[in-house]
Amino acid sequence: DGGITQSPKYLFRKEGQNVTLSCEQNLNHDAMYWYRQDPGQGLRLIYYSQIVNDFQKGDIAEGYSVSREKKESFPLTVTSAQKNPTAFYLCASSIGLNIQYFGAGTRLSVL
Amino acid sequence: RKEVEQDPGPFNVPEGATVAFNCTYSNSASQSFFWYRQDCRKEPKLLMSVYSSGNEDGRFTAQLNRASQYISLLIRDSKLSDSATYLCVIFSGTYKYIFGTGTRLKVLA
Repeated sequence: DGGITQSPKYLFRKEGQNVTLSCEQNLNHDAMYWYRQDPGQGLRLIYYSQIVNDFQKGDIAEGYSVSREKKESFPLTVTSAQKNPTAFYLCASSIGLNIQYFGAGTRLSVL
Repeated sequence: RKEVEQDPGPFNVPEGATVAFNCTYSNSASQSFFWYRQDCRKEPKLLMSVYSSGNEDGRFTAQLNRASQYISLLIRDSKLSDSATYLCVIFSGTYKYIFGTGTRLKVLA
């Protein structure tokens, strides 16, 4: 089955710790995205990548980092500089400028 | 003015009812329009794209009004399984998708 796989489903971060969220897709999509969703708010773009080895900051990139070494993979690191990391993180992909498909998400909480 | 605005609801409707949601957008240069469905604590899933001529998929009809800058979603013969949050998504170019905060629908037995 083609799709986007995010792991883990739940993640807990200790203060001062960096954590990495995984996103893998087998849809052969060029573009990949990371969003954050907070209660009562729309999805906000953290980073996006159009092609391998290239990525761009979104609206709320501070405290986050990404890499795109393979077409299939777009991991997101939530660094200790992100002071309010508790949220639902969604990874998406698309072919060009078209419909986005989402992974099942990762819920990050702070211990 | 927000880039995309939706009435948060909830819209509580009985089974079999017809319900409609609107979504307004501020960027007149917006290129593509979508409705997504999001169940509680799940990821958004594409419900339908929205075309200028309007389009229908079973009980769902979507319309785009570029002059007034809004899109709409009409659900006929509501089912209990239609209960969800409906997200309006506008594509404005350069990989920029703008998400509304969603309209919550509860279909009551």
